[in-house]
Amino acid sequence: NAGVMQNPRHLVRRRGQEARLRCSPMKGHSHVYWYRQLPEEGLKFMVYLQKENIIDESGMPKERFSAEFPKEGPSILRIQQVVRGDSAAYFCASSPRRGTSGITDTQYFGPGTRLTVL
Amino acid sequence: GESVGLHLPTLSVQEGDNSIINCAYSNSASDYFIWYKQESGKGPQFIIDIRSNMDKRQGQRVTVLLNKTVKHLSLQIAATQPGDSAVYFCAEIINQAGTALIFGKGTTLSVSS
Repeated sequence: NAGVMQNPRHLVRRRGQEARLRCSPMKGHSHVYWYRQLPEEGLKFMVYLQKENIIDESGMPKERFSAEFPKEGPSILRIQQVVRGDSAAYFCASSPRRGTSGITDTQYFGPGTRLTVL
Repeated sequence: GESVGLHLPTLSVQEGDNSIINCAYSNSASDYFIWYKQESGKGPQFIIDIRSNMDKRQGQRVTVLLNKTVKHLSLQIAATQPGDSAVYFCAEIINQAGTALIFGKGTTLSVSS
């Protein structure tokens, strides 16, 4: 059973370009979360998605960032017109469900995409 | 600011010693906690979790203790090995209020032979 997969593992972009990060959740998982990690920092939540729905985007910057999780295919985190401050490691996590009584299942993380903006 | 944090940014131990990594949280409504291990260049790896209706949970070589009175969480690693060297994060979630894990900054564990 393959774990969470992310690609590319490393991505270099020049300022003003677009970055597209992909995440394939674990088999059987329908919940996807995106986190950003700056050097020497813990992970910061960005967005939570289920198939075709954004459930919680309270951690997403209001501009340039968007996320989707289509019915078919991986989840995509898209950053338009990247700036140097977007350089970070972006991690995707997945869980099988949000269980009964509102208890959230454990989130399992992918290896991350390291974005460098020149 | 963050609601979870770790007392010490670094911890150095000898191989075979027991390690204790601490974490404090501030939100009394937090009801689910997870410890993750992150090796250089990799994603966080789940170690062990505990829900707020428990005060102790044991895994293989690891034990998590939860003290809700003082809002303190600890991870104990028995017979620490060089392969345990990594950054350890505690994370919490407030189930009724949100969906996201809230991470502390991490403790770097260094194990010397």
